[in-house]
Amino acid sequence: DTAVSQTPKYLVTQMGNDKSIKCEQNLGHDTMYWYKQDSKKFLKIMFSYNNKELIINETVPNRFSPKSPDKAHLNLHINSLELGDSAVYFCASSHGSRGQGAREQYFGPGTRLTVT
Amino acid sequence: KQEVTQIPAALSVPEGENLVLNCSFTDSAIYNLQWFRQDPGKGLTSLLLIQSSQREQTSGRLNASLDKSSGRSTLYIAASQPGDSATYLCAVYLTGRRALTFGSGTRLQVQP
Repeated sequence: DTAVSQTPKYLVTQMGNDKSIKCEQNLGHDTMYWYKQDSKKFLKIMFSYNNKELIINETVPNRFSPKSPDKAHLNLHINSLELGDSAVYFCASSHGSRGQGAREQYFGPGTRLTVT
Repeated sequence: KQEVTQIPAALSVPEGENLVLNCSFTDSAIYNLQWFRQDPGKGLTSLLLIQSSQREQTSGRLNASLDKSSGRSTLYIAASQPGDSATYLCAVYLTGRRALTFGSGTRLQVQP
């Protein structure tokens, strides 16, 4: 019974293509996140959604578009992929809402994206 | 802007040693601090969460402390084992920012 799951685990694609990564959590959390881990292993927040509402967008190119159909899902769609998009993308979730601090964050296994 | 620094960047110890990993942050207005473990090619596993009102948390051989006023946290690992070999990440949740800010991690190798 996986808490936070992501698909696919690996994604290899060519420059210019459009791809999506899916994330689902079964923890009943109301806040979900996308983080990017670059080649130097540094993790950085990209987006955060609370109750399907976007609350953080950290200067990410608009080629990246998150979509939250419901509280349990946060998908990431990437248009016109570039070489620099190659990284590991992690989904996470927690309890927490606007005006409050989030509690413990739980991470998915990651999606390794390679753009050739 | 919150910055999180972890020292050392890498550490190699023989099995059985007690060790301390350090984390410092520049903005003391944190809501909580979380320590994670990351194995190569894997996701992040949460080890300990310390709320800003707490001074320490313990789980098994792990003990994490928090000193908000000095902007420091330490992760103490007792009686280290080869299975503890991994990268340890410290992350702070700033009041009002609503996301974790991560340090660059400490890569730990425990030699059998």
